[in-house]
Amino acid sequence: ILNVEQSPQSLHVQEGDSTNFTCSFPSSNFYALHWYRWETAKSPEALFVMTLNGDEKKKGRISATLNTKEGYSYLYIKGSQPEDSATYLCAFPMNYGGATNKLIFGTGTLLAVQP
Amino acid sequence: KAGVTQTPRYLIKTRGQQVTLSCSPISGHRSVSWYQQTPGQGLQFLFEYFSETQRNKGNFPGRFSGRQFSNSRSEMNVSTLELGDSALYLCASSRGTGGYTFGSGTRLTVV
Repeated sequence: ILNVEQSPQSLHVQEGDSTNFTCSFPSSNFYALHWYRWETAKSPEALFVMTLNGDEKKKGRISATLNTKEGYSYLYIKGSQPEDSATYLCAFPMNYGGATNKLIFGTGTLLAVQP
Repeated sequence: KAGVTQTPRYLIKTRGQQVTLSCSPISGHRSVSWYQQTPGQGLQFLFEYFSETQRNKGNFPGRFSGRQFSNSRSEMNVSTLELGDSALYLCASSRGTGGYTFGSGTRLTVV
């Protein structure tokens, strides 16, 4: 059974704090790693698709790194704002001969940023 | 551009009934996949369709089925509803590589 794990399960921070969370995934047969942000009452929104070991991607105050050899990715938020409050999900696409059509999701990290 | 559209947004059904949910993908996206989220569970993969063919199916009973039409719109059907089928059902579309775009979901309540 393929396991994608995220930690911590939830995080409460003050506005202005920087924070980070972890996604662990199987290091064998790696194809890509996705990060999504899911705000309450909205759709999950794609943040990053990471494919290369050592990759680092950035979108505003949010960045992510990838280590495919040891099977983990970190998501960082610099200077958290209340609008960053959401559940952050990572997902591991299953690769079937070059086509990926099934995402295995972690259970997410719920971030709450207090003003 | 229009996003992924799911209808209806909310649905209440009685045990034993059946239900059909609809998903219209982003124009040009040929892959449509469905996920279920229940309280305490992460998003669980149901199935994926590409060019009207089911390419992969998750570990769900045969009561869960789906199809895709030539315009890439997809429907999923759940027959003989059980209380445990109450969940948020999300559909996502993609070109086949890269990130997925999700719809807002259908919240199904079985009473």
